[in-house]
Amino acid sequence: QSVLTQPPSASATPGQRVTISCSGTRSNIGSNHVYWYQQFPGTAPKLLIYRNNQRPSGVPDRFSGSKSGASASLAISGLRSEDEADYYCVVWDDSLSGRLFGGGTKLTVL
Amino acid sequence: EVQLVESGGGLVKPGGSLRLSCAASGFSFSTYSMNWVRQAPGKGLEWVSSIGGSSTSIYYAGSVKGRFTTSRDNAKNSLYLQMNSLRAEDTGVYYCAREEDQQLLNWGQGALVTVSS
Repeated sequence: QSVLTQPPSASATPGQRVTISCSGTRSNIGSNHVYWYQQFPGTAPKLLIYRNNQRPSGVPDRFSGSKSGASASLAISGLRSEDEADYYCVVWDDSLSGRLFGGGTKLTVL
Repeated sequence: EVQLVESGGGLVKPGGSLRLSCAASGFSFSTYSMNWVRQAPGKGLEWVSSIGGSSTSIYYAGSVKGRFTTSRDNAKNSLYLQMNSLRAEDTGVYYCAREEDQQLLNWGQGALVTVSS
């Protein structure tokens, strides 16, 4: 079980908005930037959000990130079928001196 | 174009050893920290280790500390992961990833490690 807690699954219909949460502690999310990665089956992950709420070039503005205290969230608006993937939050933990991945959330577009 | 190519994966018995390599190209290798991230079959991603550009800073996940050793050869643009005392739970795909400003920006295709008798 990961120190960073994500819901194992989420689902919504096309066009809707979905939010994926990531809960941590003061030593990780509470102290450092959060990153979000998207992974399709059989492929390497791809950076989706950096420094809590910044989008790399090429990532649609349908994807947004936020952080408050020791929690973070990823929001996807205008959901599309191609958004169906696994999503991971990642953050450095000062107490562990290591990088933490959330358990991952499998997003299903109904 | 940044390219990362892992090699060295395979089948190994519990208690055995294996060395993964990651050949890097398309960027100034010595400038960037590098990471190893693994994924057990059907499971989520798990960070394994990171190493600074000059190898002065090396970090490990608690699950591999004392068994795995990360190193790099900047002259050869290569990253390594020496894995000893392997366990069944070490089975998975191992990715190397280039880090820039704490972002894991570029990933290899992964190398499969299977620990089984």
